[in-house]
This record gives sequence, structure tokens and C-alpha cells, in this order.
Amino acid sequence: QVQLQESGPGLVKPSETLSLTCTVSGGSVSSGSYYWSWIRQPPGKGLEWIGYIYYSGSTNYNPSLKSRVTISVDTSKNQFSLKLSSVTAADTAVYYCAREDLWGQGTLVTVSS
Amino acid sequence: DVVMTQSPLSLPVTLGQPASISCRSSQSLVYSDGNTYLNWFQQRPGQSPRRLIYKVSNRDSGVPDRFSGSGSGTDFILKISRVEAEDVGVYYCLQGTHWPWTFGQGTKVEIK
Repeated sequence: QVQLQESGPGLVKPSETLSLTCTVSGGSVSSGSYYWSWIRQPPGKGLEWIGYIYYSGSTNYNPSLKSRVTISVDTSKNQFSLKLSSVTAADTAVYYCAREDLWGQGTLVTVSS
Repeated sequence: DVVMTQSPLSLPVTLGQPASISCRSSQSLVYSDGNTYLNWFQQRPGQSPRRLIYKVSNRDSGVPDRFSGSGSGTDFILKISRVEAEDVGVYYCLQGTHWPWTFGQGTKVEIK
């Protein structure tokens, strides 16, 4: 049974870089035709797809965030990661890692000094 | 971006009664491969979203058959044939045809 688990700091200072990792268990990030994604949900608001890395290694980012986002994969650790630079309070959200059909439990990241 | 518009945004329902949620897209969701990438998600209170339906009408494994999806082009519907207490939560449609993939605003289902 495949499971995804997000990890990373829960508090990030404005202008710094938010870094999160998603660990995949019960399956491999390099097998199957999956889009390994990051999605976020600001408190009390809707969902925004940040971007994905395809199993082949290609990436696609939401144009609204493209200049600040990097998604990468570490097949040796069976993980994929999100980096979001120059964060502001507007980036405060629950961040989810996901495959198309399966999501992690999410992790709240607060941007505050 | 493709705008996904759900209605209603709030849906009080009686246990055992049917419920229906509409989702309309600002562009056709038919992809070049002929598939329509419209999914439905359920987010129970305090939980992460769970996919219920993919490509308009296909139920994910373990999803009760009281959930069904239909539609085509730009108009889609999620139906719950008989609402149960565990169905309380927010339901989102998601289009995966045009990048960036976009969600509807969400429909909150609650028990009357």
C-alpha cells in the first residue's frame, strides 16, 4: 500500500526558502506513469496545484509560482522535494504531496518572522 | 487558467436523501487523446483530500457505489444517491486537461 508523508520546517521567515520533502513508501517514485505533485491549501481556502515532477524527471510548474518553485526527485531515497523561494505571508498554507490518486496528510507551513 | 465553477457552495442534505453537485469549466476538458480529465475529491473535516472519481465517471477503489460522476465537455455532476453521515465534508472538482490543473471552489456538504 503506497503512502506519502510530508516533512519539513513548520515555520519559515519571510524572504527565505521553504523546503519540504515527501517520502514515498510502499512504491517507487521512478516506476509507473505518475505525476508526483505538490498542492497547497491556505487556511480556510481552496486548493492550488503548485507543480509536478513526472516519473521520467520532467517538471511542470504553475505559472503563478514558476519563478520561485523547484521540484526535484531523489530516487535513492524514494523522495521528492519542493523548494519555494522568497516566501511571504501569502505562502502560509497546508502543503500536500500527492500522486494523482493518493495524497499525503499535509503539513502546515507558516511564514512569519 | 481554466476556471472551475461549482454550485452550490453549500449543500445541506437529509440523511438517506440524494445530493448533487455541479461543476462547470470555462473551457472544454476534452484532451487531445480523447479523454476528459475531470476528477472529484472529498475532503472530510481535518483530513487530506481523497479522490473519488477520475475521468468524469470512474470510481476509485474503495469508493462506495452511491457516488457517481457524469458529464461531458464543460458540464459535470457528482451525485450521491443516499447521503450518509460519513459523507460530510467539502467536495472539489479538478480539471487535469489544461495546465495549470485547477480546482473548483469546493462545495460543503452538511447534514440538516
